[in-house]
Amino acid sequence: AQSVTQPDIHITVSEGASLELRCNYSYGATPYLFWYVQSPGQGLQLLLKYFSGDTLVQGIKGFEAEFKRSQSSFNLRKPSVHWSDAAEYFCAVAPLGGYNKLIFGAGTRLAVHP
Amino acid sequence: DAGVTQSPTHLIKTRGQHVTLRCSPISGHKSVSWYQQVLGQGPQFIFQYYEKEERGRGNFPDRFSARQFPNYSSELNVNALLLGDSALYLCASSGGGGNTGELFFGEGSRLTVL
Repeated sequence: AQSVTQPDIHITVSEGASLELRCNYSYGATPYLFWYVQSPGQGLQLLLKYFSGDTLVQGIKGFEAEFKRSQSSFNLRKPSVHWSDAAEYFCAVAPLGGYNKLIFGAGTRLAVHP
Repeated sequence: DAGVTQSPTHLIKTRGQHVTLRCSPISGHKSVSWYQQVLGQGPQFIFQYYEKEERGRGNFPDRFSARQFPNYSSELNVNALLLGDSALYLCASSGGGGNTGELFFGEGSRLTVL
């Protein structure tokens, strides 16, 4: 069965520090991969997605993610975190062609210290 | 342009009651998906509708049903509510003519079952 694991439930970083959020997936083929962010009281917003091609993808708000097939990972990174990045981050996988039927991880809650 | 709108934003029901949640997609979007997000977990796929037809169903009991109207708005119905149905119900729309692979989420309807 397809699944997504986000090993870190909570992460705290200082403003200006770098960030890496981990995501591992279980799927037979190369899936569609996504990172969404959920701020308090708001819906989920797409940060970036990977369908095929270049394994390093750029997203909004200065985020990037790297797909590593050998590790079944799709980790999210940002070189310098801003206080406004505090939110919950969800990695998701979709069956090929089925991006409406996402399978989400449990999320990583990011806190940013000034 | 208005984003995905959901109503009501909050509601409280008692066990055994029925609830109807409503969603209006972004103008021009023909696909609506529903997700359930239990506190502390990632969203879980419930249904997808496209052009008024069900295109996918997640692992939810028959107490959950949905439909899509000619104007592409959608309703999610849950019968015989259980305490475990307490969650944030998210609606997402897609399919504005370009297959970007992006879901646009509303802010959700928070259901509390007592």
